[in-house]
Amino acid sequence: DQQVKQNSPSLSVQEGRISILNCDYTNSMFDYFLWYKKYPAEGPTFLISISSIKDKNEDGRFTVFLNKSAKHLSLHIVPSQPGDSAVYFCAASPTKTGTASKLTFGTGTRLQVTL
Amino acid sequence: KAGVTQTPRYLIKTRGQQVTLSCSPISGHRSVSWYQQTPGQGLQFLFEYFSETQRNKGNFPGRFSGRQFSNSRSEMNVSTLELGDSALYLCASSSGGWPNTEAFFGQGTRLTVV
Repeated sequence: DQQVKQNSPSLSVQEGRISILNCDYTNSMFDYFLWYKKYPAEGPTFLISISSIKDKNEDGRFTVFLNKSAKHLSLHIVPSQPGDSAVYFCAASPTKTGTASKLTFGTGTRLQVTL
Repeated sequence: KAGVTQTPRYLIKTRGQQVTLSCSPISGHRSVSWYQQTPGQGLQFLFEYFSETQRNKGNFPGRFSGRQFSNSRSEMNVSTLELGDSALYLCASSSGGWPNTEAFFGQGTRLTVV
């Protein structure tokens, strides 16, 4: 049972344009969400997070939007750069455990930013 | 400050053997979580240790175990290795406090079981 779903395994975007990566979840206990970026043979790198008390969080070129009623979140990267090419994972946590450490991950979306 | 350090980076073991992986968290972090990444299953949570106690556990068999030392360093052990245990094992470090804090990952240990 995949509780966090990233339905697009891959995405190709031109440099300078917006990249939109989507994530859906089914477990209503999740109320803390994170995005990670991963290069081959490396561990995931934390990008940005959002708590369920917010619907938007912004950090430089990265913005995460959360729609709790739809159980959907998205990561926007504007403008996209070639160095953004990587696999992006959405992750969720039930905050009532008191920690962000028990994360449920999606299967990832491979983003390729072309010149 | 130094990041999360996992050793060794690569490991080849034979089916039936056991293996121990090590993770040193970011200084000051008390929580260490372990994840298994495979092509078919993605990233799956194994367990979390906080202040030397297992605080959360995923759905893995008892062959997978761990411990945490007083300096927060953690080890993961897999006994009676199976071919399906071949994976990238990642550990994540966080302060483990409230409210939520982000988890920072090490580079992982690539385990190959032959």
